[in-house]
Formats: sequence, structure tokens, C-alpha cells
Amino acid sequence: GQQLNQSPQSMFIQEGEDVSMNCTSSSIFNTWLWYKQDPGEGPVLLIALYKAGELTSNGRLTAQFGITRKDSFLNISASIPSDVGIYFCAGQKRTDKLIFGTGTRLQVFP
Amino acid sequence: SAVISQKPSRDICQRGTSLTIQCQVDSQVTMMFWYRQQPGQSLTLIATANQGSEATYESGFVIDKFPISRPNLTFSTLTVSNMSPEDSSIYLCSVAYRGDYGYTFGSGTRLTVV
Repeated sequence: GQQLNQSPQSMFIQEGEDVSMNCTSSSIFNTWLWYKQDPGEGPVLLIALYKAGELTSNGRLTAQFGITRKDSFLNISASIPSDVGIYFCAGQKRTDKLIFGTGTRLQVFP
Repeated sequence: SAVISQKPSRDICQRGTSLTIQCQVDSQVTMMFWYRQQPGQSLTLIATANQGSEATYESGFVIDKFPISRPNLTFSTLTVSNMSPEDSSIYLCSVAYRGDYGYTFGSGTRLTVV
């Protein structure tokens, strides 16, 4: 099935650094979502974006819905050890099906 | 948001056997879905579980291999039939209310086929 391309594939950063990751698609989505998955758990929704150009924050997390509706970006400021995990973007069209990105694995070192 | 209980949380199965995974939600939900996450990979939608009718399968997934039931608005099962080592994955149940954006996921069932 279709998947969205996420980059980078993995990141190794020091605590306190900022993190940026993005997600691109060949097709348009009406909604973009960002999830985080911890080991042994299902993904947890972090941020949902509903309009092109929208910028939304959730604590230290900020995400943007790209103007073209074919991409989205997630930034994490001042990373901490509990930010470790896999971050997935997901796009949603009117059919309600979620299409997931390939994932960005984040490792934070103290 | 909904609270999902998925059972079993993990299992090790012999090839050729079948395993049924249960998904119980604490409230009535409009939509229930089953995803597969192969080792180190992203999530792939297997099917949409429809209440009282046959599930809607995605390309590459068939009912004979992954039969799904959804007898009511709070419960669904996924069976992985005639298992082979290639079926070793995490299987995740997810739910949503109509009009909601984004889904809530269970903790998943980690399946190893030997």
C-alpha cells in the first residue's frame, strides 16, 4: 500500500537540541497527523493539522501543514530523554483511511 | 478518547496454526481497523472491520488469511490463519468516532511464528 516518505530515517541528538523532521507525499491530504510510538506500545497521537498552512503547537512540539497539502513538518524543541521513540506522520483523505509515513527513529543522549 | 484492550499482548506460535486477536473498546465507536507493523517498519492497514458485515480489505490482504469479525460497536477479532514466519509482526487494533481526525491505537499483539 501507499506510504509517505519521512526524513530523516533516524536521528541521534544530544539532550537540549532541537529536532526537525518532515513527511512528503505524491498526493494531497485533507488532514495531517503526527504520532509517537514507544517500544511495546501502539502509536499515540501528538498533533493533528486540518488546514493548509496551519501551524499547531503541543508543548515543545510544533507541526505545520504544508501549503501544497503534500507535506508536513514536525519540530521538537529542547529535546529530553523521554522524547526517544519513533515518530510517524500520517495523512488522511476523506475516505477516513490513515496512510502512515515510514517513520523517524529518534535517540536522545544525555 | 477510547480505551482499547488488546489480547493477547504477545504470543509465540507454531507455523501452520492460527491465532485470534481480540480488541475490546470501552465505548461504542464508529470505526475499527486492523493494522500490521512488520519488524522495524511502519504501519500498514489490513482491513476496516464493519459491524454486522464483511470487513473491507486493503490490497494484498485477503479474508481467508485474515478473517475479521465485528459483532458489535465495541469488539472485534482478527485471526491470522495458517501462519508462517513471515507473519511475525505486531498487529494493532485502532478505533475512531465518525468525524474524528486521527485514530486511537491499542498496545498491539506481538506475534512470533516459529
